[in-house]
Amino acid sequence: QKEVEQDPGPLSVPEGAIVSLNCTYSNSAFQYFMWYRQYSRKGPELLMYTYSSGNKEDGRFTAQVDKSSKYISLFIRDSQPSDSATYLCAMSEGGTYKYIFGTGTRLKVLA
Amino acid sequence: EPEVTQTPSHQVTQMGQEVILRCVPISNHLYFYWYRQILGQKVEFLVSFYNNEISEKSEIFDDQFSVERPDGSNFTLKIRSTKLEDSAMYFCAFGREKYEQYFGPGTRLTVT
Repeated sequence: QKEVEQDPGPLSVPEGAIVSLNCTYSNSAFQYFMWYRQYSRKGPELLMYTYSSGNKEDGRFTAQVDKSSKYISLFIRDSQPSDSATYLCAMSEGGTYKYIFGTGTRLKVLA
Repeated sequence: EPEVTQTPSHQVTQMGQEVILRCVPISNHLYFYWYRQILGQKVEFLVSFYNNEISEKSEIFDDQFSVERPDGSNFTLKIRSTKLEDSAMYFCAFGREKYEQYFGPGTRLTVT
């Protein structure tokens, strides 16, 4: 079983839709959870981070962590064509600097 | 978002040659990382640097790799004897906190 799994997509949605992106993981010691957006041939851009369980909201983005299910989600409300990118989840254990990334989900928002 | 710069943007080298990739840090950011991303694959952790020393490294970061701060500010990643499988995008990242990482635009390394 891979340490972090993400559906590669592509996920195509119409403009204005609510997008749900997910990652599952196997390491119960993960405590820090991040979401990045990556445009083609660019560096990942940090969108949100959460520590342990719970929800966090920032503008159109909401991150959720369910540690009991080892499942994290990123919701994007009112999606825009400019949101079209690859979305990466990343996570790490509390006492380490090593971050494990998912393979990314490619999102296409159609105008 | 703070800006990180990396040079060169693209490096082509022959197998067995040494390459040095450079990263200009964000001031007041204490945590520093190198990652690589082979085309079409996931971002992979290489090494983290805190308080002027390596804090953690992955199994990828073997004796062929080294990270330095040659002038006390910029960071470098050196690959001593490049292999074809070292072809990838190499990203540096900085953060003020452990959970925070701002990535540079990357250096595309092509080993022929």
